[in-house]
Amino acid sequence: GDSVTQMEGPVTLSEEAFLTINCTYTATGYPSLFWYVQYPGEGLQLLLKATKADDKGSNKGFEATYRKETTSFHLEKGSVQVSDSAVYFCALLQAGTALIFGKGTTLSVSS
Amino acid sequence: SAVISQKPSRDICQRGTSLTIQCQVDSQVTMMFWYRQQPGQSLTLIATANQGSEATYESGFVIDKFPISRPNLTFSTLTVSNMSPEDSSIYLCSVILVFADRGLREQYFGPGTRLTVT
Repeated sequence: GDSVTQMEGPVTLSEEAFLTINCTYTATGYPSLFWYVQYPGEGLQLLLKATKADDKGSNKGFEATYRKETTSFHLEKGSVQVSDSAVYFCALLQAGTALIFGKGTTLSVSS
Repeated sequence: SAVISQKPSRDICQRGTSLTIQCQVDSQVTMMFWYRQQPGQSLTLIATANQGSEATYESGFVIDKFPISRPNLTFSTLTVSNMSPEDSSIYLCSVILVFADRGLREQYFGPGTRLTVT
């Protein structure tokens, strides 16, 4: 079945460092891809999305490009802040089904 | 978008008891789902709540443990039965909205119900 694989965490960075969180997927057809973020003690929030190949989703300085050839949707940010410390989930959505989530990657940014 | 509310927002329950979680959506939706997020884990789909018929459960989840009702297109309940400490989790209601004119499907989540079983 469909699945999402994220890099293992935790990821620990200093403020202003470059961030990459890898995400690859296995799916039939052409799913939509998402990144969700969960800040400590809070609910799940949609961070960005892409609905077709070569689409780039972006929000709050984060970007991810839907790469069909490598079945990837890596999350990047050029300069992280302490406030970006959270758990990041990659997910895919196929027609007729609900979101399938990766295991999540914890990001910790120190000043 | 969809606005989803859940009741209760949190509860502490004794083992062996049952808790029913309510989910209310501000618009009629066809697809409604229940997820579980165990401490420090990702979200796992429990079941799809089908209006007017029995819920469809994912592998590892059964109706006797997690009975679901879906009486109409805006409301659903999830019951966690005969609870044990392993059931301590956040339970989330979720819906999918389809925007056919834009070819988009978007999934929205409720705020979650934080359950602690002692």
